[in-house]
Amino acid sequence: GESVGLHLPTLSVQEGDNSIINCAYSNSASDYFIWYKQESGKGPQFIIDIRSNMDKRQGQRVTVLLNKTVKHLSLQIAATQPGDSAVYFCAENENFNKFYFGSGTKLNVKP
Amino acid sequence: DTAVSQTPKYLVTQMGNDKSIKCEQNLGHDTMYWYKQDSKKFLKIMFSYNNKELIINETVPNRFSPKSPDKAHLNLHINSLELGDSAVYFCASSDRASGNTIYFGEGSWLTVV
Repeated sequence: GESVGLHLPTLSVQEGDNSIINCAYSNSASDYFIWYKQESGKGPQFIIDIRSNMDKRQGQRVTVLLNKTVKHLSLQIAATQPGDSAVYFCAENENFNKFYFGSGTKLNVKP
Repeated sequence: DTAVSQTPKYLVTQMGNDKSIKCEQNLGHDTMYWYKQDSKKFLKIMFSYNNKELIINETVPNRFSPKSPDKAHLNLHINSLELGDSAVYFCASSDRASGNTIYFGEGSWLTVV
């Protein structure tokens, strides 16, 4: 399943499928990006980050892709599990100044 | 051990009251933040302190007054609470030496009635 951020704030996927959550950022000078996961009733938790000198970074079951040309960031979650159900935020940062957060995408994993 | 802890977790209060939310981080970070999350889950920065000094103040009403007694603590005091102040307030911290990743607390749910 795939989301386009603001235009699809909820993404529903079947357990075991791959998920893609998209984020469009606004500042072409942003040089550091983070994906956060926020479960219900909790604070945002760091998932993975990427600096602007990279276009791909992999973690455990997660991959972040950065396309600076079109100012687009995506989070891919492999073999999505029920525990992945949460709201996902991208955040952009320029030169250690404040982070700007995207509006979030809710991921709903169906068993 | 909780890295960024904030209290209280839940707060219900009447309009016009004054309330405080406290935050402490044990990560040794030099920068602390307050973020506000509205009912649509939008996260917006309010304040940022670096080594006890205010570095970001994002057009927040002056009813909101942060105080940082030391770099491990950043408290938020709110005067004359209004209905629109109802939100979740997140404390967070970061450090340039650690790559500037922001670590969040669990949030304080403020409801103004």
